[in-house]
Amino acid sequence: QKEVEQDPGPLSVPEGAIVSLNCTYSNSAFQYFMWYRQYSRKGPELLMYTYSSGNKEDGRFTAQVDKSSKYISLFIRDSQPSDSATYLCAMNSGGYQKVTFGTGTKLQVIP
Amino acid sequence: GAVVSQHPSWVICKSGTSVKIECRSLDFQATTMFWYRQFPKQSLMLMATSNEGSKATYEQGVEKDKFLINHASLTLSTLTVTSAHPEDSSFYICSARPLAGGDNEQFFGPGTRLTVL
Repeated sequence: QKEVEQDPGPLSVPEGAIVSLNCTYSNSAFQYFMWYRQYSRKGPELLMYTYSSGNKEDGRFTAQVDKSSKYISLFIRDSQPSDSATYLCAMNSGGYQKVTFGTGTKLQVIP
Repeated sequence: GAVVSQHPSWVICKSGTSVKIECRSLDFQATTMFWYRQFPKQSLMLMATSNEGSKATYEQGVEKDKFLINHASLTLSTLTVTSAHPEDSSFYICSARPLAGGDNEQFFGPGTRLTVL
C-alpha cells in the first residue's frame, strides 16, 4: 500500500464548477499537508499549506484536513480554464522530514 | 521572489554518455536542495537531499555512483547522470529550501526532461 493515495483522474469539469480533489494517507505521523499545482512540463508550485486538522481558505481555494480519517481535500470554487493542471498532494511529519507526494490528479476545466 | 531555475530544460543524449543538470536559486540562498525524478503519471520520487558543503543523502534504491550530486554553493546544486541509459529517461526536478524560511518551505525548479537514446 502506498503511503499516499491520489486518484490520477483525469477529472473534467465545466467552467464555474466546484472541484473537489482528495488524497488519503496511511502514516499517522504526517502533520503537514501541502497542495501543489503542476502545469504540463513545469515544476510544481505550492498552492496551500496546512498544519494538522482543519480548514484553510485562500481565495477560490480551500484545503481541508481530517487527520482522524487520514483524508485531505482541496476545493476549487468557480473553476477557470487556467486551473487546468495536475494537482499533487504532499505531506510530511514536519520539520526537515522527507515530503511524500501523491501521484497527482489531472484536472481539465472546460470553457 | 523565490525563483529556482534549472538548466538545461531538456536534453537528449546517447546511451553511455554523462549529462549534467544545474539547479540554481536565483534570489535566495538555499541550505538544502532536493532532487526528484518524475515518470509520466507518477508521483515525484525523491532521489537525494543535498546540503551545501557536504555529501548528499541518497534515498534507498538510488545509486550514488550513477547520480552524482554536487552542492558547491548556497545557490547551486548539480546532478550528473553518469553512463546514462534509456531507463534513465525521465523528468528531473530540483527544489530548494531557503536559508531563511519555514521548515517545510521549498521552491521547485521548472524541471529538466532527459531523453536517453
